[in-house]
Amino acid sequence: QKEVEQNSGPLSVPEGAIASLNCTYSDRGSQSFFWYRQYSGKSPELIMFIYSNGDKEDGRFTAQLNKASQYVSLLIRDSQPSDSATYLCAAATGANNLFFGTGTRLTVIP
Amino acid sequence: GAVVSQHPSWVICKSGTSVKIECRSLDFQATTMFWYRQFPKQSLMLMATSNEGSKATYEQGVEKDKFLINHASLTLSTLTVTSAHPEDSSFYICSAKPHGGKYSYNEQFFGPGTRLTVL
Repeated sequence: QKEVEQNSGPLSVPEGAIASLNCTYSDRGSQSFFWYRQYSGKSPELIMFIYSNGDKEDGRFTAQLNKASQYVSLLIRDSQPSDSATYLCAAATGANNLFFGTGTRLTVIP
Repeated sequence: GAVVSQHPSWVICKSGTSVKIECRSLDFQATTMFWYRQFPKQSLMLMATSNEGSKATYEQGVEKDKFLINHASLTLSTLTVTSAHPEDSSFYICSAKPHGGKYSYNEQFFGPGTRLTVL
């Protein structure tokens, strides 16, 4: 069974701090991993995706992948109140489907 | 680029009626579209995978006769909730997977969602 696990939170960080969001997956066949941000009442929007072990940086966001540990993380530097949202981790195998975690709710405190 | 629209954005209907939701990829062709359902404070649950020109593949526990999916073109998929009941009230979100081009293999782009309320 393909499972993606996330800590539901809420995770609270002060403005300007680094927010660290974690995700584990059970299917070793998963090849690509996605982080989506979802504001309340809205649909998810893609932040980043990562395929290879190591870090991938895009602006204030860094995705980290460790396939041996089946672990994916998202770091948000210089967190802003506008970053407050639910962050969804998703894993995909070579097939079409994305398997989503339940999401981590992040609150950035001004 | 990679914009997906849904219509309507919200709908309220009486129990027993049918509701159709449209999902369109506006600036790309999508051979595969996905339909998700999200209940309050829960994650996205995949309902079905829709491939253009073929029958949809439904996830376990999703009634194909209740949730009719038609993917008639490379830019349009529809979900019809037939004989809707209050327990079908939810946030329905579609996503579309671009066919090749500059996008990564598994990227999906989500529509804005449709909030269905069945009275």
